[in-house]
Amino acid sequence: GNSVTQMEGPVTLSEEAFLTINCTYTATGYPSLFWYVQYPGEGLQLLLKATKADDKGSNKGFEATYRKETTSFHLEKGSVQVSDSAVYFCALNLDSSYKLIFGSGTRLLVRP
Amino acid sequence: GAGVSQTPSNKVTEKGKYVELRCDPISGHTALYWYRQSLGQGPEFLIYFQGTGAADDSGLPNDRFFAVRPEGSVSTLKIQRTERGDSAVYLCASSLNSVDEQYFGPGTRLTVT
Repeated sequence: GNSVTQMEGPVTLSEEAFLTINCTYTATGYPSLFWYVQYPGEGLQLLLKATKADDKGSNKGFEATYRKETTSFHLEKGSVQVSDSAVYFCALNLDSSYKLIFGSGTRLLVRP
Repeated sequence: GAGVSQTPSNKVTEKGKYVELRCDPISGHTALYWYRQSLGQGPEFLIYFQGTGAADDSGLPNDRFFAVRPEGSVSTLKIQRTERGDSAVYLCASSLNSVDEQYFGPGTRLTVT
C-alpha cells in the first residue's frame, strides 16, 4: 500500500543548529510529496511541496528534494530558530488526488 | 480572510452518547475534507465533499460515523454511540477545488470517557 515513514521525535536542537527530518515513502504510482507544519494551537499548514522527481520544494528557509531513487523527501534547514518549534508531517498524494496520506509526525523543539 | 474554523475546540462525552462536530470552510471553497488524528499519529482521511455531496466516504471507519454538507458550505460530522476508541482530534480542511492546496482548521479534540 501507500505509506509515509518519518523519523521519530522529539528532535531537540539549539538555535542556529542544522535540521534534518527524514521522510521515506512507499507508493504504487507517482506521488506528489508535501511537508506540513503544525504550530502549537494552530491548524496544519502546508510548508512546501514537490510534484516530481528531483524537484526541490522550499519555503521559510526549509528545503526538501524529491528523491525517487531513494524514495525520500527529507526536510532540511540550515539554521533553526525557536519559532520553528512545531510538529512536522510528511505526506503524499497520488496522481493529484485529494486524499493526503500522512506520516506520524516529528516534533521539533528548538532551545534558545 | 478567515480560515477554516471548527467548533467546539474540545468535546468531552460519555461512551454511548451522540456528538456533532462542525466545520466552517473558507468561503468559496467547494471541496471539504474530514480527517482524524489519533494520539501520536498523522491525520487519516475520513470523507471528502465536493459541493453538497460526499464524493468519497471510504475513510469512515464504520456506520456510526456520518457527515453532511447540506448547503455546500458548513459541514457536520456526526458520531453515534461513541466509543472510547473514537477519542481523537478531528480535523477539517477545505480547498478551492479537489486538486488545490488544502487549508486545515485547528481541529476538535474529542474525548470519550
